[in-house]
Amino acid sequence: KQEVTQIPAALSVPEGENLVLNCSFTDSAIYNLQWFRQDPGKGLTSLLLIQSSQREQTSGRLNASLDKSSGRSTLYIAASQPGDSATYLCAVFPGTSYGKLTFGQGTILTVHP
Amino acid sequence: EAGVTQSPTHLIKTRGQQATLRCSPISGHTSVYWYQQALGLGLQFLLWYDEGEERNRGNFPPRFSGRQFPNYSSELNVNALELEDSALYLCASSRTVTNSPLHFGNGTRLTVT
Repeated sequence: KQEVTQIPAALSVPEGENLVLNCSFTDSAIYNLQWFRQDPGKGLTSLLLIQSSQREQTSGRLNASLDKSSGRSTLYIAASQPGDSATYLCAVFPGTSYGKLTFGQGTILTVHP
Repeated sequence: EAGVTQSPTHLIKTRGQQATLRCSPISGHTSVYWYQQALGLGLQFLLWYDEGEERNRGNFPPRFSGRQFPNYSSELNVNALELEDSALYLCASSRTVTNSPLHFGNGTRLTVT
């Protein structure tokens, strides 16, 4: 059974810092991995999708990497801003049953001015 | 481009009643997914519909059911509501290609009293 773990569970940083969020998964036979953010009481906003054949994806200040062999992904946020405060979730796509994502518990990020 | 829309935003029911939640996918998306986000339990996969067919379901009892209509919108039905069904129900959609990211709506908050 696939298990996804996110470390740290919570992170508080001053504005302007670069930071790294970690995601690990137990079964390396994944298809893709997707990072989301969730604001309180809201749905999920898609940040980045990394296909299994890719090593990283970039969008603006965000960079996500994927190492299937070690079962790890990282989300790098450059020059953090208070608007980045949210819960960040990673989700892995299984090798079969494409839409049956397994989510981590999330990292609660607070960026203070 | 309009995102995934869900209705109603909030729904209050009493134990034993039935609840119906609705979802409209992004235009051009044919796959619809339902997830439950209960407090302390994280995001759990419920159902996946594609081209009007149920493709997969998660570990939920049969009183959780749904359907997808010819216009690709979907509804989730929960019968014989129990207190532990109280949660945020999130709908997502994607194109029916294996490297398509999932896009989520803002959810329906179901409260069972």
